[in-house]
Amino acid sequence: AQSVTQLDSQVPVFEEAPVELRCNYSSSVSVYLFWYVQYPNQGLQLLLKYLSGSTLVKSINGFEAEFNKSQTSFHLRKPSVHISDTAEYFCAVSDGATNKLIFGTGTLLAVQP
Amino acid sequence: KAGVTQTPRYLIKTRGQQVTLSCSPISGHRSVSWYQQTPGQGLQFLFEYFSETQRNKGNFPGRFSGRQFSNSRSEMNVSTLELGDSALYLCASSGDRTYEQYFGPGTRLTVT
Repeated sequence: AQSVTQLDSQVPVFEEAPVELRCNYSSSVSVYLFWYVQYPNQGLQLLLKYLSGSTLVKSINGFEAEFNKSQTSFHLRKPSVHISDTAEYFCAVSDGATNKLIFGTGTLLAVQP
Repeated sequence: KAGVTQTPRYLIKTRGQQVTLSCSPISGHRSVSWYQQTPGQGLQFLFEYFSETQRNKGNFPGRFSGRQFSNSRSEMNVSTLELGDSALYLCASSGDRTYEQYFGPGTRLTVT
C-alpha cells in the first residue's frame, strides 16, 4: 500500500528566508508525485508534479521539488519566501493506474514579516 | 477554460438526513474524483468516476455513493448523515492519461 509522510505539521519562517517542506513516500510500485497548496477556505491547487524524466521540477512561482528514489523523498523548497506563500501544503502520491491520490497530513507554512 | 465548479459551497444538515453534492469538471475531462477533508483524518479518497462508471473506490461506508452523467458532471450522495460526516468535500477532474487532478473549491458540509 502507498503512504505519504509529512513530518512537519507546521513550519514558521521569516519573509525572504529559504524553506524546505519534507515529504517521504512509501510504495512498492512506480509513483507519480505531486505537491498541492491550499489557501484558507479554498480547494487545492496543483503546485508541482513529478511523472518521469528530470528529477528536479519547478513551479512558476519559485518553488521546486526533487524526486529522490533512493531516499523515497520529494521535498519542496523555495529559496526566498513571501508573506503570500502562507498556506497549507500537501504532498500526494499516485500509482498512475488510477487517479486515486494518497495525501500526506499537510504542512502549514507560516511566513512571518 | 473554466475550472472545476462545485455546488453548493456551504450546506447545513441535520443528523439522519441525506445530502447531494454536485461537481462540474473542466470541459473535456472525463474523470471525476471525490475527496473528504477533515481536521482529524485529513484528505481521504472517496471514489472516482470515468465515463459514467465507478473506476475506483475508497474505504467509506455504503452511505456514501456517487454517480456520473453523460456530460461528465458528477454527484455524490450521503445518506443517513452522521455528525462525523461534517467535512469539506472536494471534487477533482482529470483529463485522459494526464494524471494531474484539478480541484474545485469544495462544499463545506456541517451536520448538526
